[in-house]
Amino acid sequence: EDQVTQSPEALRLQEGESSSLNCSYTVSGLRGLFWYRQDPGKGPEFLFTLYSAGEEKEKERLKATLTKKESFLHITAPKPEDSATYLCAVQGQTGANNLFFGTGTRLTVIP
Amino acid sequence: NAGVTQTPKFRVLKTGQSMTLLCAQDMNHEYMYWYRQDPGMGLRLIHYSVGEGTTAKGEVPDGYNVSRLKKQNFLLGLESAAPSQTSVYFCATRRYEQYFGPGTRLTVT
Repeated sequence: EDQVTQSPEALRLQEGESSSLNCSYTVSGLRGLFWYRQDPGKGPEFLFTLYSAGEEKEKERLKATLTKKESFLHITAPKPEDSATYLCAVQGQTGANNLFFGTGTRLTVIP
Repeated sequence: NAGVTQTPKFRVLKTGQSMTLLCAQDMNHEYMYWYRQDPGMGLRLIHYSVGEGTTAKGEVPDGYNVSRLKKQNFLLGLESAAPSQTSVYFCATRRYEQYFGPGTRLTVT
């Protein structure tokens, strides 16, 4: 059974204090690992897709990496506007390209 | 381009009432999905569609029905609402990755 565990559940950072969010996964035949950002009261917003171990992708202050068992979302010198819940999801070989989501990490960046 | 829109944004139902949530997309995507999001549970797939006229069950389909009569629309129905269906409902469409709508917050009393 596909499983995604995100840690920590919540993270408070000072502005400029870099850190990483973790997404551990178990899936039969990984087709893709996805990161989304969700602001309160809004739908998830797509950030990255990673397909194979060793792959990395960057966007502004965010960098996502992938190994065979986990993914990290590194946040460098965060700003208050980076405050959001970050969701990780995996796509396995079962179902019609369906995603299985973790419960997210709620990030708060304090000015 | 509106992307993915959902109607209504908020709704309060009494137990036993019925309603339909509408998802509309203008991206010409074949795949569409309905999720519910509950505190501490993450997003869970209710039903999905791989094209016009097709539907399939997801992880938590009980108590819901769906229809995809037109490619751009995906409807989620609750025939007899229960308090356990109080949740935030999200629609998504997919080409390479999934794009989500703004959500419908439903409360069943």
